[in-house]
Amino acid sequence: SQKIEQNSEALNIQEGKTATLTCNYTNYSPAYLQWYRQDPGRGPVFLLLIRENEKEKRKERLKVTFDTTLKQSLFHITASQPADSATYLCASLGGSASKIIFGSGTRLSIRP
Amino acid sequence: DTGVSQDPRHKITKRGQNVTFRCDPISEHNRLYWYRQTLGQGPEFLTYFQNEAQLEKSRLLSDRFSAERPKGSFSTLEIQRTEQGDSAMYLCASSLRQDQETQYFGPGTRLLVL
Repeated sequence: SQKIEQNSEALNIQEGKTATLTCNYTNYSPAYLQWYRQDPGRGPVFLLLIRENEKEKRKERLKVTFDTTLKQSLFHITASQPADSATYLCASLGGSASKIIFGSGTRLSIRP
Repeated sequence: DTGVSQDPRHKITKRGQNVTFRCDPISEHNRLYWYRQTLGQGPEFLTYFQNEAQLEKSRLLSDRFSAERPKGSFSTLEIQRTEQGDSAMYLCASSLRQDQETQYFGPGTRLLVL
């Protein structure tokens, strides 16, 4: 079945460093991948979408890559700040015209 | 109207009781989605509406669950005869048909079944 996998272990890094999160997909070829941010007790907030024919997309301090050979997307936050601490979800269209499949998310903690 | 709203934000109920949640999407959005999220997991798709029509339902949506969107605006999700396994965050999202890739989520309703 179609699956999106993210590293379930929390990522702890020092403020100012670049955080890199990984998303791998199996058993299908998504037309695009999305990244969301989710704070505790809140709904996910859409951050970026990258299509299969795009290798890289940027938005302010965020960068996303899409490698269809490795079946992987990387999400980078440069010059990380404690306010970036949250869970980051990878998602993609799967199975139908409107059904989005989410990974389990990676919790990111930025220490001052 | 600045976003998707959900009511209530929290609900505690006893096993066997019925509960109903409401979602108000962004006003011009004609697509509305329901998801369920348990601790440490990503949201799981339950169902979606285009206007008032319910177009897809997940196998996760047992016959104890029913969703409606009677006038193509707000939606309700009802769970009958709740079970402890129904405890989760129930999320609603909405999108424009022509931009279905971008879904805007509400804050969720956290359900605890005792």
